Amino acid sequence: DAKTTQPPSMDCAEGRAANLPCNHSTISGNEYVYWYRQIHSQGPQYIIHGLKNNETNEMASLIITEDRKSSTLILPHATLRDTAVYYCIVLLYRDDKIIFGKGTRLHILP
Amino acid sequence: DGGITQSPKYLFRKEGQNVTLSCEQNLNHDAMYWYRQDPGQGLRLIYYSQIVNDFQKGDIAEGYSVSREKKESFPLTVTSAQKNPTAFYLCASSIISGATGELFFGEGSRLTVL
Repeated sequence: DAKTTQPPSMDCAEGRAANLPCNHSTISGNEYVYWYRQIHSQGPQYIIHGLKNNETNEMASLIITEDRKSSTLILPHATLRDTAVYYCIVLLYRDDKIIFGKGTRLHILP
Repeated sequence: DGGITQSPKYLFRKEGQNVTLSCEQNLNHDAMYWYRQDPGQGLRLIYYSQIVNDFQKGDIAEGYSVSREKKESFPLTVTSAQKNPTAFYLCASSIISGATGELFFGEGSRLTVL
């Protein structure tokens, strides 16, 4: 079973920041938070991951709460190409498999 | 360029037939995975392999079989025992066996049973 809870869908206006929440209240101290996205009929794409500190790369920022029970993926300036299903995943660094939930379907509105 | 190649992209088969989906990677990755996705659903793990000549069942392995004779290749056979084989199949690999966070996916194979 997936260890995360995400809203099934969200809307965001083009050009605005998209903030996608994820709850992982049972996360253990050595589990990482990973984010992927899947554009329709394509394979999922890795976005970012983190353990405790906030992380930023060219695609997005990841904000993890101090108690690590939740996180937020931020797409700073959403475009229509960011329309996709976003998956939040929790796993150990040396887990032998990844379990995907249903994710959040993000609609970017023109 | 390096990547994961799945073929065929679209496949039709009659009930009772076995079909094999190809997955090849030139990323020199140790671990490879097969997932199934149904419309509006997340991904479900079928089989995975961390090293050559070894593989493990995922959550929905019944009706499927795999082999890992080469590091680069991880074919999936959908057998006639799979009751609802129509789905989107995704192959993935990861750079370090056991450290599976960053998966690289192929473009998928869509299987339709007529």
